[in-house]
Amino acid sequence: DTAVSQTPKYLVTQMGNDKSIKCEQNLGHDTMYWYKQDSKKFLKIMFSYNNKELIINETVPNRFSPKSPDKAHLNLHINSLELGDSAVYFCASSQHTKGEQFFGPGTRLTVL
Amino acid sequence: GQQVMQIPQYQHVQEGEDFTTYCNSSTTLSNIQWYKQRPGGHPVFLIQLVKSGEVKKQKRLTFQFGEAKKNSSLHITATQTTDVGTYFCAQTEYGNKLVFGAGTILRVKS
Repeated sequence: DTAVSQTPKYLVTQMGNDKSIKCEQNLGHDTMYWYKQDSKKFLKIMFSYNNKELIINETVPNRFSPKSPDKAHLNLHINSLELGDSAVYFCASSQHTKGEQFFGPGTRLTVL
Repeated sequence: GQQVMQIPQYQHVQEGEDFTTYCNSSTTLSNIQWYKQRPGGHPVFLIQLVKSGEVKKQKRLTFQFGEAKKNSSLHITATQTTDVGTYFCAQTEYGNKLVFGAGTILRVKS
């Protein structure tokens, strides 16, 4: 009964490949997010969707494309992976556009 | 956007000692949230502070929001090994965009 789940948990891939990370929440929340945590533990928001609509789009390379097929899902597709994309990617959700956020377990991406 | 500065970056304490992490902003914050991330884990929400001068307690954890709403602190009394992890403060901007501090890594020696 995981509230926010992500797949895969680990992703190891070669430079130049395209990969996707999936996120699902069963909390009935309206808003979902993607964060990137680098090796120094710094957490930075990338995207946010509210009711399937993009509301936050930080300065992220356009190789990163989020997609929300419905309120419960927010996927992240990354094209032409680079070494610098190696990080832990967290999905999160919140009931509205305010208040506490519930984070998924994270996806550790390693680009070789 | 606004940034919150969090100090210290790292603290190593003996079990039973107290621990405090601080967040400071140059501008007034609408609210501040605190999260804990265990090693290898994900951030977990601890609390949100909204009112000027607010103080909230959760067992051994005490959270404060400054009178001017420009700073906040998290204090842990008598640390235990279960307290290890990284503690983040975060301010919210439009659209519930969370801007995180750099975090304070707490290690506890038993």
